[in-house]
Amino acid sequence: NAGVTQTPKFQVLKTGQSMTLQCAQDMNHEYMSWYRQDPGMGLRLIHYSVGAGITDQGEVPNGYNVSRSTTEDFPLRLLSAAPSQTSVYFCASSSKGTGGGSPLHFGNGTRLTVT
Amino acid sequence: AQSVTQPDIHITVSEGASLELRCNYSYGATPYLFWYVQSPGQGLQLLLKYFSGDTLVQGIKGFEAEFKRSQSSFNLRKPSVHWSDAAEYFCSGSSNTGKLIFGQGTTLQVKP
Repeated sequence: NAGVTQTPKFQVLKTGQSMTLQCAQDMNHEYMSWYRQDPGMGLRLIHYSVGAGITDQGEVPNGYNVSRSTTEDFPLRLLSAAPSQTSVYFCASSSKGTGGGSPLHFGNGTRLTVT
Repeated sequence: AQSVTQPDIHITVSEGASLELRCNYSYGATPYLFWYVQSPGQGLQLLLKYFSGDTLVQGIKGFEAEFKRSQSSFNLRKPSVHWSDAAEYFCSGSSNTGKLIFGQGTTLQVKP
């Protein structure tokens, strides 16, 4: 099983550029989410989705957009990258959503640097 | 506001010694609680979870955690640490809103 697949693994952007981080899961999970991980701050929730067509904001949504057109895919878009968005990004999914007590399955992360 | 706090940023233990990593939560009702482990350059792997019932839960790799409502804690323990346990450990909690919140993480170093 592939599980949760994130691409790319590494990315360097210049300030103001846009890009999309891809996330796909093959477990038919309803719930998907994006986190960013920064030293000393743990993982912070950016956006999440409880099913196709439904998205909601997490703790740090500013500067990021998401959409959920299919159950499998949950891309994260940076419309105008800023140095403050330099981070490691993780996509995660679960069958019922953590509100239903289901644990998250994580991708291996995307390391993004904005210069 | 809902929160999860890990008071210890970095812990060093000797191989074979016991381990306890602290986690405190702040939720209106009993949350779902999880411990994850992250090895360098990897995603997070679930160690164990608590939903309800028995307050002592067993996980993978010999880890266990105890839920204490009176102390709002969910500490992770292991009787004898192995060098391969060196990693970063995250406590997390979720209410029925579906948002999973993580603590700041504790980095475990194991001395030979």
